[in-house]
Amino acid sequence: SQQGEEDPQALSIQEGENATMNCSYKTSINNLQWYRQNSGRGLVHLILIRSNEREKHSGRLRVTLDTSKKSSSLLITASRAADTASYFCATDGYGNEKLTFGTGTRLTIIP
Amino acid sequence: SQTIHQWPATLVQPVGSPLSLECTVEGTSNPNLYWYRQAAGRGLQLLFYSVGIGQISSEVPQNLSASRPQDRQFILSSKKLLLSDSGFYLCAWSASVNTEAFFGQGTRLTVV
Repeated sequence: SQQGEEDPQALSIQEGENATMNCSYKTSINNLQWYRQNSGRGLVHLILIRSNEREKHSGRLRVTLDTSKKSSSLLITASRAADTASYFCATDGYGNEKLTFGTGTRLTIIP
Repeated sequence: SQTIHQWPATLVQPVGSPLSLECTVEGTSNPNLYWYRQAAGRGLQLLFYSVGIGQISSEVPQNLSASRPQDRQFILSSKKLLLSDSGFYLCAWSASVNTEAFFGQGTRLTVV
């Protein structure tokens, strides 16, 4: 079963705008990760945030984590056409080595 | 540097035929290994994961099985494929669940 649920399922924005995606999960975690997938390819790791962190930045990416609400958000600023992809959150098993992914958000950047 | 190899890239198999997908990792030892399946336009479903040779955890009861005969080799198998086994299969490795995972390029399986 899916641990995470991303919303929205799909998002289309104009190039240059900011894109925000959300992830909710069900059980306690040690860390949460975000990945990107171009169509028909493997996933690429973007950023990892630990349960004792509230916010993390990497380039144009900003991730927040609210463990009280069991939710995380991924913000991509100044979007580019090359950001078009699916984005997934992933959570650990809190005591085991299981890595479980959410349902994903399909992001389309309109040039 | 570490690399992950997954093959074949595409596969078309008849219903009832066996399946063997192989994944190997180079440049690291004792990795966690994962098999996922992704239906078209959907999320990743964790099928199996392994923390060591011969140690396999199954997440989804179905007609698939996994084996880890060597430290850096992870094999996904089926004795008889079903139409519902069609999908995009992804192998991944990580040093631990608390670090990033690295994915292979995937195998697109079509059962006909």
